[in-house]
Order: sequence, then structure tokens, then C-alpha cells
Amino acid sequence: DQQVKQNSPSLSVQEGRISILNCDYTNSMFDYFLWYKKYPAEGPTFLISISSIKDKNEDGRFTVFLNKSAKHLSLHIVPSQPGDSAVYFCAATGYQKVTFGTGTKLQVIP
Amino acid sequence: TAGITQAPTSQILAAGRSMTLRCTQDMRHNAMYWYRQDLGLGLRLIHYSNTAGTTGKGEVPDGYSVSRANTDDFPLTLASAVPSQTSVYFCASSEVPAPNTGDLFFGEGSRLTVL
Repeated sequence: DQQVKQNSPSLSVQEGRISILNCDYTNSMFDYFLWYKKYPAEGPTFLISISSIKDKNEDGRFTVFLNKSAKHLSLHIVPSQPGDSAVYFCAATGYQKVTFGTGTKLQVIP
Repeated sequence: TAGITQAPTSQILAAGRSMTLRCTQDMRHNAMYWYRQDLGLGLRLIHYSNTAGTTGKGEVPDGYSVSRANTDDFPLTLASAVPSQTSVYFCASSEVPAPNTGDLFFGEGSRLTVL
């Protein structure tokens, strides 16, 4: 039973445009949500997080939105750059565990 | 800065053989984790340890065992490998269990192929 889901396995975006990556979760007890970025042959690295008591968190080109009623979060990257091409995992914390989604492969086309 | 070191980087293993994936961290983090990454399934937690001397089961623990004899090392053992254990394995650590601020650090992964 996948508690954190990323329904789009891949996404292609033109350089300079907005990238929107989506994530849905089923467990209302999750209290923090995170996004990780992974390049090939490397481990995932932390990108941005949001508490369940907030609905938006911004860090430079990256913004995460949380809609608790819909159990949905999204990551916006504006403007997208070729170096953003990677696999993005959303994750949620709860019950002393971090649960990851299935990942979305983003390709930013120059 | 070493952070987390995993070994081996890559391994091909015959089914039925045993294998230990090594993980060492130099950040003195209390918590350590093993994840496996599979296409379409994302990162799934195999086992975790919130502090030295304790371990716990994650989402997919069957066929794997771990030990945490000290703070720095968290080896993952496959007692009798099966082809479904072909995957990329990531070790991770954090100062506190299930950190909220993204202080979850990953190694570079160990690619295991079981034939």
C-alpha cells in the first residue's frame, strides 16, 4: 500500500518555464513533507520541506505547496534550468519514519 | 568530507549466496537506515536503527537483516539472495530519527544484481 504517490513517472519542460511536480498521500498523520532530488549514480539530497501547519514554503526557485484537505503537495521550479534534470522524490515523516514516493524524472530541455 | 560510505559500489551475486552491504558514517548520527530503490516503486525502507544497539523493520524487511553494534556502522546482510533482491541499495543517516528538516543524508548507493 503506497502511502505517498507520485503519479507522473516523468516530466519534460523547456528551459525557463515552470516545472510542477505533484505528490499525493493517504495518511493524514504525516506531519512534515519533504522533496529530495537525485542525480544518476548519486544518493538523494534534500531540496525543500514544509510543515503540515503551513501551506507554502519558498526557497529561491523552489516552492512547495501543501493542500491538506486534498492530501496533495506540489513542487514548483521557476525558472527551470537544465541542471534541474533529475529524479525528484517527495517524502513524508510520521511514526518516526520517512516514507518516500515513487519518484518523478524531470527533464529540462535547453 | 566523507559523510556516508557504502561498499561495494556494485556487485553481481549468484542466487542463494549471502552478501553483506557495508555502510559507515562519520557524522556521529544516531539514526541509520537502509532503503532500496526500484523503478516504479521509489525508495522503500528495509530496516532502520534509531540508535546504536537497536534496530527496527521497515516496509520491506523480509530476506534482510541488520545490526548496529556501534554508532558508525550499519551493515545489511542478505542471507540467501534471490533475484527479486536485485536493486540499488541506499544507506542513510540522520542525527534524530525521521528528521523533519531534511537532515537525512544518503550514501551513493550499492547496485546489486542477483542472477
